[in-house]
Amino acid sequence: AQSVAQPEDQVNVAEGNPLTVKCTYSVSGNPYLFWYVQYPNRGLQFLLKYITGDNLVKGSYGFEAEFNKSQTSFHLKKPSALVSDSALYFCAVRDYGGSQGNLIFGKGTKLSVKP
Amino acid sequence: EPEVTQTPSHQVTQMGQEVILRCVPISNHLYFYWYRQILGQKVEFLVSFYNNEISEKSEIFDDQFSVERPDGSNFTLKIRSTKLEDSAMYFCASRTGIEQFFGPGTRLTVL
Repeated sequence: AQSVAQPEDQVNVAEGNPLTVKCTYSVSGNPYLFWYVQYPNRGLQFLLKYITGDNLVKGSYGFEAEFNKSQTSFHLKKPSALVSDSALYFCAVRDYGGSQGNLIFGKGTKLSVKP
Repeated sequence: EPEVTQTPSHQVTQMGQEVILRCVPISNHLYFYWYRQILGQKVEFLVSFYNNEISEKSEIFDDQFSVERPDGSNFTLKIRSTKLEDSAMYFCASRTGIEQFFGPGTRLTVL
């Protein structure tokens, strides 16, 4: 069965430092991977996706993610964190068991960026 | 930029009552979804809808749930007889390409 794991409940980073939010996946085929961000009392906003091609994908707000097939990982990164990046981050994989592209989400990682 | 909208933002209801959550997907999208997020837990898939019918549903989506696209713009989720455990944030999503676009959610509180 497909699954996504986000091993950290919370990541704390100082403003200006690089950040990494970890995600590993388990799928039966080639993965479609996504990152979404959720600000307090808001919906999920799409950040970026990996379908195929270059292992480093760039997304919104300066975020990028690195696909690593051998480690089955898709970690979210940003070179210099901002206080406004503080939010809940979800990694997701497309469910290959279904036909309509529904997503399987990780449990989320709370990112806290301190000034 | 087009976006998915949902109404109401917050719904409070008594156990056993029916609720209808409304969504307006992005206009040229073809695939529609409902997800829910119980407080503090992960986002879970409920149902997908394509070509005016349910294409997939999860185990959560039992006979108490139904979805409808009554016209060309709205997409609704109905819970016939709410239970306490239905309290959650419900998200609508739509897509035409690969990525799904989510609405802001409806927070359902069942008392």
